[in-house]
Amino acid sequence: AQSVSQHNHHVILSEAASLELGCNYSYGGTVNLFWYVQYPGQHLQLLLKYFSGDPLVKGIKGFEAEFIKSKFSFNLRKPSVQWSDTAEYFCAVKARTGGFKTIFGAGTRLFVKA
Amino acid sequence: GAVVSQHPSWVICKSGTSVKIECRSLDFQATTMFWYRQFPKQSLMLMATSNEGSKATYEQGVEKDKFLINHASLTLSTLTVTSAHPEDSSFYICSADRGEGQGRRNTFGSGTRLTVV
Repeated sequence: AQSVSQHNHHVILSEAASLELGCNYSYGGTVNLFWYVQYPGQHLQLLLKYFSGDPLVKGIKGFEAEFIKSKFSFNLRKPSVQWSDTAEYFCAVKARTGGFKTIFGAGTRLFVKA
Repeated sequence: GAVVSQHPSWVICKSGTSVKIECRSLDFQATTMFWYRQFPKQSLMLMATSNEGSKATYEQGVEKDKFLINHASLTLSTLTVTSAHPEDSSFYICSADRGEGQGRRNTFGSGTRLTVV
């Protein structure tokens, strides 16, 4: 079955530490890839997206993600996290083979210690 | 940019009553709309895919008679939670697609928090 997997459910980092959140998907063919962030008490916000072209995508707030087709991965990175990055992060995939439905990973809850 | 409006943003209803949630694309025509549910501390789960003028396609495990979806126009889809029960309390989010092929884009609404008491 088509699925989206996020490897870490909870991550705790100190400020200024580097962040990498894993995301793998099982869809074949052309995919659109997304990372969303949900701050406590708020709704989803789009961090970044990949449709085509340069596999290294830069998003808002210093986040970036790299699409590695051979690994079916789209990992999210940030060189130096801040306390304000405390939130839940969702990887999402949309594919023609999936009927264009956007399927979300289970989410990774990030807590950044000040 | 594309905006998807969802209304109401929050609603409290009594057990056994029905609640209607609207999802509107304000400045574009949506080829397809999607409805999601997010329980506390969980991810978004796709409930159904809605195309204008046709019956919605429900995901496995979602009761179509309980969650009625009407996609009356290219800018409006509604989700009605019928005979709501406390276990239906959740955050319901819609999203709307526009464009085709590589130009296909998706926008999420701001969600509706439903509390059934």
